Amino acid sequence: KQEVTQIPAALSVPEGENLVLNCSFTDSAIYNLQWFRQDPGKGLTSLLLIQSSQREQTSGRLNASLDKSSGRSTLYIAASQPGDSATYLCAAYTGANSKLTFGKGITLSVRP
Amino acid sequence: DTAVSQTPKYLVTQMGNDKSIKCEQNLGHDTMYWYKQDSKKFLKIMFSYNNKELIINETVPNRFSPKSPDKAHLNLHINSLELGDSAVYFCASSQAGPGAQYFGPGTRLLVL
Repeated sequence: KQEVTQIPAALSVPEGENLVLNCSFTDSAIYNLQWFRQDPGKGLTSLLLIQSSQREQTSGRLNASLDKSSGRSTLYIAASQPGDSATYLCAAYTGANSKLTFGKGITLSVRP
Repeated sequence: DTAVSQTPKYLVTQMGNDKSIKCEQNLGHDTMYWYKQDSKKFLKIMFSYNNKELIINETVPNRFSPKSPDKAHLNLHINSLELGDSAVYFCASSQAGPGAQYFGPGTRLLVL
């Protein structure tokens, strides 16, 4: 059974800092790994999807990496801004049961 | 031009009632999902439909019955609502297989 862990649960940084959000998963037989953003009281917004054959994906100030063998993914946010404050969730798509398994998320607060 | 929409956005009801939540996607996707996000913000899949056929049913009580009249719609009917059903319910869609999932804004259900 796939388990996805995100530690720490919350993070507070000053504006402008580069930061890394970590995600680990127990079953390396994944098709892809997805990072989402959730703002308070809102739905999820897809940020990046990394296929199992890829090592990283980039979108603007965001870069996500994937190391299947070690069961880890990271989301790198460059030059953080207060508008980046949100909960970031990672989710592993496991082909065996064709579903996304989510971590509990990291709540990020970027202080002006 | 909303991609995935849900109605209603908020639902407050008494224990024992029956209620429905509707979901529509205009992305032309083949697969639709229902997720539940509990009070601890943990997001778990409930159901998945591909081309109107049920492919995932994650040990959800049979009081919950999804219905997919066509590829663009997946509704969730809940019978005999219980206090523990209070949560945020998200609909999502994707292309068939492990594609990126796009989420609706959520329906906040409160059972009194």
